[in-house]
Amino acid sequence: DTEVTQTPKHLVMGMTNKKSLKCEQHMGHRAMYWYKQKAKKPPELMFVYSYEKLSINESVPSRFSPECPNSSLLNLHLHALQPEDSALYLCASSHLDRVFSGANVLTFGAGSRLTVL
Amino acid sequence: RKEVEQDPGPFNVPEGATVAFNCTYSNSASQSFFWYRQDCRKEPKLLMSVYSSGNEDGRFTAQLNRASQYISLLIRDSKLSDSATYLCVVPHMDTGRRALTFGSGTRLQVQP
Repeated sequence: DTEVTQTPKHLVMGMTNKKSLKCEQHMGHRAMYWYKQKAKKPPELMFVYSYEKLSINESVPSRFSPECPNSSLLNLHLHALQPEDSALYLCASSHLDRVFSGANVLTFGAGSRLTVL
Repeated sequence: RKEVEQDPGPFNVPEGATVAFNCTYSNSASQSFFWYRQDCRKEPKLLMSVYSSGNEDGRFTAQLNRASQYISLLIRDSKLSDSATYLCVVPHMDTGRRALTFGSGTRLQVQP
């Protein structure tokens, strides 16, 4: 079982809907990430939160709105999405040491598979 | 040049074969590197970390060549269960940016 929990596992929504993806971890990690992955492509970074503050936004359209209510939770609010936004959305977390290391690397959730009709 | 480049494959090998993948990176200041494995429709999972010249874990060996800026992953005695996509991962090196950049992945199919 993954230590990063994502819900829902699958989501189908229309272009006018508002929905949210949720991510939770209890490993004490203070960095949390959203990645987007299309079929047969690598994960692409969307957002990074460090100590519950947004530290990286990779020029993601405003129809994706991240939120980090506390150190264990990360949400991704979705509104007015397009069919091309259909993808696997992966949440990840890590410790916030100065460098990445084997003990301090990303742990991914199982992902939320989103389909936009 | 892309930050991280991999041969997409697929590599189709018989069980028991030895197979190697290469990954080149553009930022010479990178200090740590990772190989993740991703099964079809699953999340990426850490396979190995590489910091100095290399790392070995059972049938898997990762090697780092800083002069030529590439890392490799060697899998010996391939098993059917090794079939997956192998992602080469390098940390961002921009100041204040803490995240990982994924290569496009190399797909391995081990056949009976």
